[in-house]
Amino acid sequence: GAVVSQHPSRVICKSGTSVKIECRSLDFQATTMFWYRQFPKQSLMLMATSNEGSKATYEQGVEKDKFLINHASLTLSTLTVTSAHPEDSSFYICSARDLGALTDTQYFGPGTRLTVL
Amino acid sequence: EDQVTQSPEALRLQEGESSSLNCSYTVSGLRGLFWYRQDPGKGPEFLFTLYSAGEEKEKERLKATLTKKESFLHITAPKPEDSATYLCAVITGSNYKLTFGKGTLLTVNP
Repeated sequence: GAVVSQHPSRVICKSGTSVKIECRSLDFQATTMFWYRQFPKQSLMLMATSNEGSKATYEQGVEKDKFLINHASLTLSTLTVTSAHPEDSSFYICSARDLGALTDTQYFGPGTRLTVL
Repeated sequence: EDQVTQSPEALRLQEGESSSLNCSYTVSGLRGLFWYRQDPGKGPEFLFTLYSAGEEKEKERLKATLTKKESFLHITAPKPEDSATYLCAVITGSNYKLTFGKGTLLTVNP
């Protein structure tokens, strides 16, 4: 149980285009999902908290107009990187907390490697 | 500000050589401490959740313990497939936000 999927796993795009990444909880419901980015040989940095049915909460320094988050259902959150530039190239990972669980454990997706040319 | 410090940054072991990884934390009100394993190019894989000092959890060759200031991940008789980056993270507030340490890169040589 507690499986989180992400799609796509890898994406290469041209500078100036937008890219959408999906995060799904496959066998549980999640009112809260989280989006992280990870640079090579560094730890995960939280970008934003995605709440089902309401606006996302962004961490300090993260541009909300550049990283659009939508959490339309209890099993799906999307991150759209708008007008992507080479500096947005990174490993993006989502996580979800099981609404029905008695623990605070977050389960992570496999990640999406974004390369902006 | 919550801080999580992991040591060592990197650890090389021979197969069968037991050791421990450390995670020390300075937080205002620990809600939970988590251990994850991350393989290159993949998302973190959940290992353990610890909530209170004195708590211990075990899974195969891994055992996690928690005190009021730190947590240890003990690896007994490791195998090459245990090679990975081990991440420690804490939650302190009701918003469930994880604060991660920088991780320990473990390499187990056959």
